Amino acid sequence: DTAVSQTPKYLVTQMGNDKSIKCEQNLGHDTMYWYKQDSKKFLKIMFSYNNKELIINETVPNRFSPKSPDKAHLNLHINSLELGDSAVYFCASSQEGGINEQFFGPGTRLTVL
Amino acid sequence: DAKTTQPPSMDCAEGRAANLPCNHSTISGNEYVYWYRQIHSQGPQYIIHGLKNNETNEMASLIITEDRKSSTLILPHATLRDTAVYYCIVRVAWNYGQNFVFGPGTRLSVLP
Repeated sequence: DTAVSQTPKYLVTQMGNDKSIKCEQNLGHDTMYWYKQDSKKFLKIMFSYNNKELIINETVPNRFSPKSPDKAHLNLHINSLELGDSAVYFCASSQEGGINEQFFGPGTRLTVL
Repeated sequence: DAKTTQPPSMDCAEGRAANLPCNHSTISGNEYVYWYRQIHSQGPQYIIHGLKNNETNEMASLIITEDRKSSTLILPHATLRDTAVYYCIVRVAWNYGQNFVFGPGTRLSVLP
């Protein structure tokens, strides 16, 4: 069983479009994250949610809006896509109150044309 | 978060031990050392973590110096599948609001 899953795996779209990436974890964790890995391979935190509440919001354009309908899901919606949004987006989850080992999803490769 | 310094790349012969160093000279007393790796374009994978004692699990060993200013991740018998980017991160555990800061890591190439 996949612990952290993301859909879609690949997403190709035009500039200006709005798109969403979904993430689900079946580990019973209470904290979920979104990371962005750009073409230079640097992995940067974007958001962190704990029990459906936003904990961390790094300097991310407000075109990016995370939505957590429940503890097991953290979706990422992106409005007015730009060329610079092309990257691989990783979702992760962890159980706070402990060592904070994070489990990562397989990633979604977003290409904006 | 304390900053970490790792060599950008290393090679290791298949079957030999891979020793990956990490400097974290500004680590504070309540910060743990975590190691993750990223194989090709997959999501990062947790390897091991420690506070001050040496740790071992089925994947690797973590050796932390007595002053905690540096550590070494040891893969005892490297295989081709261990070729990956290895990230050393220091972070306080049990902290809801603190994120992981991934640096550029060390690209380990295991050679046949």
